[in-house]
Amino acid sequence: DAGVIQSPRHEVTEMGQEVTLRCKPISGHNSLFWYRQTMMRGLELLIYFNNNVPIDDSGMPEDRFSAKMPNASFSTLKIQPSEPRDSAVYFCASKSGGAGGELFFGEGSRLTVL
Amino acid sequence: KQEVTQIPAALSVPEGENLVLNCSFTDSAIYNLQWFRQDPGKGLTSLLLIQSSQREQTSGRLNASLDKSSGRSTLYIAASQPGDSATYLCSPSGGYQKVTFGTGTKLQVIP
Repeated sequence: DAGVIQSPRHEVTEMGQEVTLRCKPISGHNSLFWYRQTMMRGLELLIYFNNNVPIDDSGMPEDRFSAKMPNASFSTLKIQPSEPRDSAVYFCASKSGGAGGELFFGEGSRLTVL
Repeated sequence: KQEVTQIPAALSVPEGENLVLNCSFTDSAIYNLQWFRQDPGKGLTSLLLIQSSQREQTSGRLNASLDKSSGRSTLYIAASQPGDSATYLCSPSGGYQKVTFGTGTKLQVIP
């Protein structure tokens, strides 16, 4: 299997621009997670989906962030408008087997907002 | 709220040494505990998954143990190699959104 695939790997944008991050989970995995990693706060869960349905988005920092999962093989995380404090590495992860399943991460999207 | 502590925060050892990384967590109501490694600029790679009913899990030179009641897990690395240099993260899971990550142990294996 190709693993969790994320794009773009690196994104540099200016404050106020829209940013869209993409994720393809491992085939057959029914849960998908978006995390953000910073030096100050470590790994933070932003939102997770189960069977394409958003279950918990309490980690989404504010209304500028939104996430969708239109089908089992694709998800997006959108930031509009972006701000310098959004600069971080954004990870997508997926799992199968219910709450106790093994979590697999993508390589991440490094976002820099100038 | 689950709190995860990993000790030591950083470790430097000569090649060939056996070493132990420690993880402690405050809430023992977990489904499983996963150990990951993260290389600079990379994602998290799953190393071992221990279910709450298990005591240990082995993969190659890696052995992870779990004592759920006392909130502890250890990752044992035998015969360390320079390629083992990375940050190791411990992650107890109490459910979908209750996955907590430690701040990691940064390991350097010196040739």
